[in-house]
Order: sequence, then C-alpha cells, then structure tokens
Amino acid sequence: QVQLVESGGGVVQPGGSLRLSCAASGFTLSNYGMHWVRQAPGKGLEGVAVLSSDGNEKYYSGSVQGRFTISRDNSKNTLDLQMNSLRAEDTAIYYCVKSYYEGVYGYQVYWGQGTQVTVSS
Amino acid sequence: DIVMTQSPDSLAVSLGERATINCKSSQSVLYSSNKKNYLGWYQQKPGQPPKLLIYWASTRESGVPDRFSGSGSGTDFSLTISSLQAEDVAVYFCHQHYTTPHTFGQGTKLEIK
Repeated sequence: QVQLVESGGGVVQPGGSLRLSCAASGFTLSNYGMHWVRQAPGKGLEGVAVLSSDGNEKYYSGSVQGRFTISRDNSKNTLDLQMNSLRAEDTAIYYCVKSYYEGVYGYQVYWGQGTQVTVSS
Repeated sequence: DIVMTQSPDSLAVSLGERATINCKSSQSVLYSSNKKNYLGWYQQKPGQPPKLLIYWASTRESGVPDRFSGSGSGTDFSLTISSLQAEDVAVYFCHQHYTTPHTFGQGTKLEIK
C-alpha cells in the first residue's frame, strides 16, 4: 500500500534554511514523477516543485525559483526539498505528492499527510 | 502560468440535492495529440490532505462514489455531485497539469443547507 511520510518541518527564522524529506513505501519512488505542493494557512494549493523519474526534468514555481531545490535519494526511496532564504510567505503545510506516471505532467494520485513549516522571528 | 478560477467560492446544498462546481482555465488544457484534458478534481476535508476524485476531466478515480462526475473540455469544466451526502462536506479544488507549474483553483467550500 502506498504511503508517503513527510518530515523536517518546524519553525525557522526569516533567511534560514530547512530540508524536508518524504519517505515513500509501497512503491519505488524513482519510477514516478514526484511533487511538493504547499498550502498556506486557510489558503489554496500551490505547486512548489516537481521532479521527473529520470531526474532530467525539474520545475519550480516562480515564488521559490532559485531558493528551493528538489532532489531524490533512490537508495533510501526518499524525496527531499532543500529550502533556503526562507520568507514569512513560505509558511505553509508542505505535501509530498506522487504522480500517476514517470513524467512531470501527470495528475497527482496520492498525497502525504504534510509537514508544517513556519517562518517567523 | 495558467490561472484556474472556480465558481462559486462557497455553496450550500440540501442533502440529496445536486451540487455543481465550475472551473475555468485561462488557456486550454486539452492536449491535441491524445485528446485528453489535463484537468483533475480533488476533495479536501478539514485536517486532511487533498484526495483525487476525477482525472482527465471526467474519469472517476477507483473507489470514488458514482455520484461524483466531471465534465467539460478545453477551458470550461464542472464537478457535479448528483445527490449530496453529509460526508461530501469539504473544499473542492480543480487542478491543471497541462503545463508547469501545475496550478489549482482557489477552492469551493461545500456545505449542507
């Protein structure tokens, strides 16, 4: 059974860094496109980053481009999101999401429970 | 980026009645080579992550009750719940995956009248 468990969230000061991790079970993460999607308090959903199964395609939203990096550790079956130069507007629940196929243009089949990131001084 | 606009922002419907949520994209999400609309619908209940209901605009995900249906093509789409049940109270989002970054509608809050 597919399971995605995010970790690494917490409280960080503006300008700081955090690294989120998503542990996958029940499937091989490297066979699928994978996403990070965030949801600010009481707000809608924003696609933050996406990574293709072969690693050749990575895309970021304009609001995080140059500050966030998505990556995968195939040996651990995990997906990571390195977040630098954090801002108050990055405060959100961050979800790890599995695509239905290996590319970056797939619908999002399965979502983890999310991890809370709070940027505040 | 493709802008997804849902209407209405909130909706109150009586139990057993029909509920319809609309979604409009700022450009077509119909891919001409495979004739598929890159449009999905998600349901989010309080304290839970979103759950996929509909993909390719009109295909129900496995396990989703058949009272949920999706329709539309190009830029205009709808999600219909044919007979509202108490457990359908949630926020519903449309989602385009035709281009990156993927974008979502602002959400429609569905309540019982």
